[in-house]
Amino acid sequence: AQSVSQHNHHVILSEAASLELGCNYSYGGTVNLFWYVQYPGQHLQLLLKYFSGDPLVKGIKGFEAEFIKSKFSFNLRKPSVQWSDTAEYFCAVIYSGAGSYQLTFGKGTKLSVIP
Amino acid sequence: DSGVTQTPKHLITATGQRVTLRCSPRSGDLSVYWYQQSLDQGLQFLIQYYNGEERAKGNILERFSAQQFPDLHSELNLSSLELGDSALYFCASSVAGLDAEQFFGPGTRLTVL
Repeated sequence: AQSVSQHNHHVILSEAASLELGCNYSYGGTVNLFWYVQYPGQHLQLLLKYFSGDPLVKGIKGFEAEFIKSKFSFNLRKPSVQWSDTAEYFCAVIYSGAGSYQLTFGKGTKLSVIP
Repeated sequence: DSGVTQTPKHLITATGQRVTLRCSPRSGDLSVYWYQQSLDQGLQFLIQYYNGEERAKGNILERFSAQQFPDLHSELNLSSLELGDSALYFCASSVAGLDAEQFFGPGTRLTVL
C-alpha cells in the first residue's frame, strides 16, 4: 500500500522563526499532492495543492511547498511563522494509475508557535 | 463554515451496535468523502461517492458501508461496533473528483463503550 510520511509529530517554534514540515510519499507514479491545515476547533481546510507545472507552489497565508520528484517529497515552508499558524498540518497524496485512485493522508504534524 | 454539515455531532453507543452518520455536502458539490480520524491511525480515507455512485475506496472495513442519495446527501453506516471504532468521522465534499479541493465538515465524534 502507498504511504505518506510526516516525520515530525510536533514542532514548536517561536514567532518569526522559519518553518519547514516534511512530507514524503512512497509511490513513483503519478501523484497529486496537498497540504491541509486544521486550526484548533475548526475543520480541515486546503492550504495548497500541486498537480503539475511549477514544482514550487504558493498557497494561502504565506505558505509554499516544493515538489521534488527525485526525493518523493513535498515539504511545506513558511519564512516567518505567526502565533495564528498554531494548528495541525496534514500532507495528502492521491496516487493514480490504471483508472483507479488512492488517497492517503499523513498522520499530521502539530505546530505550536510561541509568542 | 465550510458549508458541509454533519449530524450528529456526538454519538455514544455500545459495542455490537449499529449507527448511521449523516452528511450534507456543499450546494453544488457532487462528491462526498468519508474519513476516520483516530489518535493512532491518523486521518484515514474511507470512501468516496460521486453523484450517487461509489468512486474510490480506501481503508473501509467490511462492517462499514456508505451510500449517497439522489439529493446528494450521504450516510455512513457502522455496524457491529468495536471499541476501536471510537474516532472522529469526517465528511468532505468537492465539486468533482479526488483531485478537486475538498471542503470538510465539523465531524461526528463516535464513542463506543
